[in-house]
Amino acid sequence: AQKVTQAQTEISVVEKEDVTLDCVYETRDTTYYLFWYKQPPSGELVFLIRRNSFDEQNEISGRYSWNFQKSTSSFNFTITASQVVDSAVYFCALSRMDSSYKLIFGSGTRLLVRP
Amino acid sequence: GAVVSQHPSRVICKSGTSVKIECRSLDFQATTMFWYRQFPKKSLMLMATSNEGSKATYEQGVEKDKFLINHASLTLSTLTVTSAHPEDSSFYICSVSEQGSLAYGYTFGSGTRLTVV
Repeated sequence: AQKVTQAQTEISVVEKEDVTLDCVYETRDTTYYLFWYKQPPSGELVFLIRRNSFDEQNEISGRYSWNFQKSTSSFNFTITASQVVDSAVYFCALSRMDSSYKLIFGSGTRLLVRP
Repeated sequence: GAVVSQHPSRVICKSGTSVKIECRSLDFQATTMFWYRQFPKKSLMLMATSNEGSKATYEQGVEKDKFLINHASLTLSTLTVTSAHPEDSSFYICSVSEQGSLAYGYTFGSGTRLTVV
């Protein structure tokens, strides 16, 4: 069975602080995809990153960085120097590499960045 | 990635009526689309996988007769909430899976907030 766990329900930080959102996943598949999405108050889901299971390189995109650790089944997301506009719900998700391609979401972490 | 258009963005309907939500893939031929439901402050729950030209695959616990899905073309999938009741009030989001694309990923519509009164 597949499962994504985001243990942090809500995080509140002050602007310019760094913040890390945790994601732990479970799967029996040897190949899979991991994703992070941002959902601002308006509701739409914004794609942030996709990571293949066979690519464990960490990635940095501006203030965002991702740490993929296959050994611990974690795919954590760090925002450096957070801004008020980063306030949103962030979802980690897992997809199999088979014909179903279903996307399984974690429960989400609500991030509040205070001025 | 694909561009996905979902309409309407908001709808209020009376209990007992049916509501149709459209999901269009504007620049990608989508053989597969997904429909999710999201309760306030909750995660996205997959309702069904919409397959072009065939019947949708519903997740366990989702009523097929209540949530009718039609995927008649490679660019359009519709979700019809039949005989809506207040408990059907929710945020519904569709998604296009770009399978086979080098830019493989999922693109989501902007969502439909349904309120049944």
